[in-house]
Amino acid sequence: DAGVTQTPRHEVAEKGQTIILKCEPVSGHNDLFWYRQTKIQGLELLSYFRSKSLMEDGGAFKDRFKAEMLNSSFSTLKIQPTEPKDSAVYLCASSPGGWNYAEQFFGPGTRLTVL
Amino acid sequence: GDSVTQTEGLVTLTEGLPVMLNCTYQSTYSPFLFWYVQHLNEAPKLLLKSFTDNKRPEHQGFHATLHKSSSSFHLQKSSAQLSDSALYYCALRASNTNKVVFGTGTRLQVLP
Repeated sequence: DAGVTQTPRHEVAEKGQTIILKCEPVSGHNDLFWYRQTKIQGLELLSYFRSKSLMEDGGAFKDRFKAEMLNSSFSTLKIQPTEPKDSAVYLCASSPGGWNYAEQFFGPGTRLTVL
Repeated sequence: GDSVTQTEGLVTLTEGLPVMLNCTYQSTYSPFLFWYVQHLNEAPKLLLKSFTDNKRPEHQGFHATLHKSSSSFHLQKSSAQLSDSALYYCALRASNTNKVVFGTGTRLQVLP
């Protein structure tokens, strides 16, 4: 089975640009998560979808970050406009869901550099 | 709200010595606890998870015990290997949600 895929793997943007990151979850998984990973903050939740419905949009990240799940097999994260402080690795993860300790399966991540 | 605390940012030790990475948590609901491991240039992956029946989860020589009285889920291994060098995240999922809260991570560096 294919795992979680993310594209692109690397992205370089100028300050003020709009960038879109893509994620394909594991087939059949009901939950999808977007995280930002930095050395200082670790893994910060940006968005959480359950069966394509947005359950949480990450509070402090709401103003410039928007995640969408167009169908059960594809999600995007838009950052608009980008700022240098957005430089980080963005991870997408999916999970079967349910109440059985469902583990999260992570994609390889997109490393974003904002100049 | 739910939170996870990992007090050590970096743990450095010599191969063969025991490993203990600290994890404490706060949660309103009875949570499930996890340890994820991320090797260099790889995605995080599940290392082990807590059980409700007080069994001690073990994987790849690592184990962790959920202590509800002290709200802790420390990760331990009797003898570190060079290949254990990685970033370790403690995480919790409250029983009323599928959302997972991660700690800030502890980097384990094992030296020869």
